[in-house]
Amino acid sequence: SQQGEEDPQALSIQEGENATMNCSYKTSINNLQWYRQNSGRGLVHLILIRSNEREKHSGRLRVTLDTSKKSSSLLITASRAADTASYFCATGTNTGNQFYFGTGTSLTVIP
Amino acid sequence: KAGVTQTPRYLIKTRGQQVTLSCSPISGHRSVSWYQQTPGQGLQFLFEYFSETQRNKGNFPGRFSGRQFSNSRSEMNVSTLELGDSALYLCASRDSYGYTFGSGTRLTVV
Repeated sequence: SQQGEEDPQALSIQEGENATMNCSYKTSINNLQWYRQNSGRGLVHLILIRSNEREKHSGRLRVTLDTSKKSSSLLITASRAADTASYFCATGTNTGNQFYFGTGTSLTVIP
Repeated sequence: KAGVTQTPRYLIKTRGQQVTLSCSPISGHRSVSWYQQTPGQGLQFLFEYFSETQRNKGNFPGRFSGRQFSNSRSEMNVSTLELGDSALYLCASRDSYGYTFGSGTRLTVV
């Protein structure tokens, strides 16, 4: 399976703390994306990082990519209660048009 | 610009029935993908349509089918429903930056 895996499966932190979640994947990729899903809703695209990039920032989000380790991390700084959601990584390959989603990290930010 | 619209939002069907779900992508997007999301299996790719042609297909039985119209709207059909088909079905239109998802259709099979 080309599906990625997020780690940890669940994370609970206090508001204001930083949250870090990791994604590992199995095959060569063209890009990697992170999505957020609020309970029972669709996924919202957060950020895309290409395979030739190592780090990318967007507001309070920081994404790193290590293609040699086939892993990525998503850091959310100064977390807020509204950040409570599930976070998924998705990988895009060079050969297909399909994105492969990981299993997700459930983040709970306690006010 | 309008987002991805999925209808209906909720659906309850009986085993053995069939169901059709609808998805209207972002205007100008020609690619529409469908995913099934369940607590146990996560997000599973069903198929992708581009310019009315199925471009990719996931590992689902033939009871799951889809089509895309000339205006890029897509429908997904599931025949002979089983209890295990209960899931959130997500549609996404894509550009080079990634997917934009709809809010999904929650299908419950009883």
